[in-house]
Amino acid sequence: KAGVTQTPRYLIKTRGQQVTLSCSPISGHRSVSWYQQTPGQGLQFLFEYFSETQRNKGNFPGRFSGRQFSNSRSEMNVSTLELGDSALYLCASSLQGGNTEAFFGQGTRLTVV
Amino acid sequence: QKEVEQNSGPLSVPEGAIASLNCTYSDRGSQSFFWYRQYSGKSPELIMSIYSNGDKEDGRFTAQLNKASQYVSLLIRDSQPSDSATYLCAAGGATNKLIFGTGTLLAVQP
Repeated sequence: KAGVTQTPRYLIKTRGQQVTLSCSPISGHRSVSWYQQTPGQGLQFLFEYFSETQRNKGNFPGRFSGRQFSNSRSEMNVSTLELGDSALYLCASSLQGGNTEAFFGQGTRLTVV
Repeated sequence: QKEVEQNSGPLSVPEGAIASLNCTYSDRGSQSFFWYRQYSGKSPELIMSIYSNGDKEDGRFTAQLNKASQYVSLLIRDSQPSDSATYLCAAGGATNKLIFGTGTLLAVQP
């Protein structure tokens, strides 16, 4: 059974640009959550999608957005990139969301210069 | 106030010893609890889940949950140098999001 796949693995972007990250969950999983991980802040919750609907959102500015498609694949978009957006972005896939086991992809390492 | 708290460590134990990792949570509505292991430069890997009070054992790992005290722990028996990693505690509830602690760095000394 394939795991969670995130693309791309690495990205280097310039301040002010925008970026789109992709996450393909485990087959049969309908919930996809996104997290930002930085050395100082740990894992911070961005948002969670279930059956194409955003069910929960963390405390991030509106520059961070996401969506989920009918096949459960999800994308995350960050517009007007800032240096502070440099981080490891992780998506986690689960059957139903918060109370069920979540499995992480390898992450996308974003560097903003 | 952090919702899930862990001692950042490092927790240093000799090879073969028992490593004890602890976590407290503030939301009494939390219903599910998870331990993840994260090696440097890698993504978190789920190693244990626990949903009810008591102990749950899986190989060398035992998770313990005490909802009255809002306390979760992970015991690693016969610790190996390959267990050296950051261990993340997470709590899930009705909000459909997992709240993570900042992790405890475990160092197993050969």
